[in-house]
Amino acid sequence: EVQLMESGGGLVQPGGSLRLSCTASGFTFGDYAMHWVRQAPGKGLEWVSGISWGSGDIIYADSVKGRFTISRDNAKNSLYLQMSSLRAEDTALYYCASRRGSGWPFDYWGQGTLVTVSS
Amino acid sequence: EIVLTQSPGTLSLSPGERATLSCRASQSFSSSSLGWYQQKPGQAPRLLIYGASSRATGIPDRFSGSGSGTDFTLTISRLEPEDFAVYYCQQYESSPWTFGQGTKVEI
Repeated sequence: EVQLMESGGGLVQPGGSLRLSCTASGFTFGDYAMHWVRQAPGKGLEWVSGISWGSGDIIYADSVKGRFTISRDNAKNSLYLQMSSLRAEDTALYYCASRRGSGWPFDYWGQGTLVTVSS
Repeated sequence: EIVLTQSPGTLSLSPGERATLSCRASQSFSSSSLGWYQQKPGQAPRLLIYGASSRATGIPDRFSGSGSGTDFTLTISRLEPEDFAVYYCQQYESSPWTFGQGTKVEI
């Protein structure tokens, strides 16, 4: 059974930093691209960042470029999102999602970890 | 950036009825890069349809997708109680990978 489990969310002050993790099981993690998608309270889905299977291709939404860094460790079946210079508008439930590759949808999703940016 | 606009915002129907959800894109793209997701309260999104018309693993055949170019449709032929949820379309042809704002299907 495919499982994605996010962790690392919490309450952080504006301007602060946080590192999210996503641990995968039930599939060959190193064969999949991985993405972060967020959902502000009561709002829709917003793609945040993506990384190819070998970390060669990394891309960010304009809203987080220069502040967030995505990375992965295939040996640990883990995906990360280092978030810095956090703003109130970054408050959201952050999901990790897997993708087989170019031309494929986001096929599996974790349950999300909540990030709240507030003083 | 490809902007996806879903309509209606809310669809009020009864079990057994047919639901038709629309997703319109700001520019044309390949239908092979259009997906639909279902999200229930407190749950993660779940992939329903990919490539505009292919059902994901385990998705019942009452869910169907169609469309091309800029206009796409998700149809639920006979609503079951568990189908009342929010549905999102997504394009995954080019970054940023964008989602529609969602259609809520309510009783």
